[in-house]
Amino acid sequence: GAVVSQHPSWVICKSGTSVKIECRSLDFQATTMFWYRQFPKQSLMLMATSNEGSKATYEQGVEKDKFLINHASLTLSTLTVTSAHPEDSSFYICSARDTISGKSSYNEQFFGPGTRLTVL
Amino acid sequence: AQTVTQSQPEMSVQEAETVTLSCTYDTSESDYYLFWYKQPPSRQMILVIRQEAYKQQNATENRFSVNFQKAAKSFSLKISDSQLGDAAMYFCAYIIGGNDMRFGAGTRLTVKP
Repeated sequence: GAVVSQHPSWVICKSGTSVKIECRSLDFQATTMFWYRQFPKQSLMLMATSNEGSKATYEQGVEKDKFLINHASLTLSTLTVTSAHPEDSSFYICSARDTISGKSSYNEQFFGPGTRLTVL
Repeated sequence: AQTVTQSQPEMSVQEAETVTLSCTYDTSESDYYLFWYKQPPSRQMILVIRQEAYKQQNATENRFSVNFQKAAKSFSLKISDSQLGDAAMYFCAYIIGGNDMRFGAGTRLTVKP
């Protein structure tokens, strides 16, 4: 149990285009989902916290108009990178908490497998 | 600022030996949770072990154990009987208030056969 999926696992796009990444909790309901960014050989940096039915909370320095987050249901959050540029190329990881069924003991987050974005 | 520090960018251990990865953190909160995650080349984050700050007893999970020193704000990970499959990036992290998970910079562990 407690499986989180991401789609796509990798994507290549042209500069100026928009890319949508999906994060799904497959066997639990996620009231809160998180989006992280990881550059090569670096740690995970929290970008934003996504709560179902409300606006996402962005970390300082993250452009909310560039990284659009939607958490329309308890099992799906999406991250849209708008007008992508080469500097947006990175590994994006989502995670989810289950505060309904109790799978998230220790306030644990369950991580998706990540999406590698390459902007040409 | 609340931070997590992993002072060892890289560590190496001989197969079957024991290795300890260090982690210190800084928070003014008294109630929080601590984690060690493993990130293999697939980049999937895998939970290794976790600890509640109010519990004095150190957590153990098979070959993995922690040395939690709350007063010193230290949370080291000990891997016993190291295996080739243990080779990965290891991240120390904590959660405060159920939301904010903060990660250290990571330690790359190499296991030599």
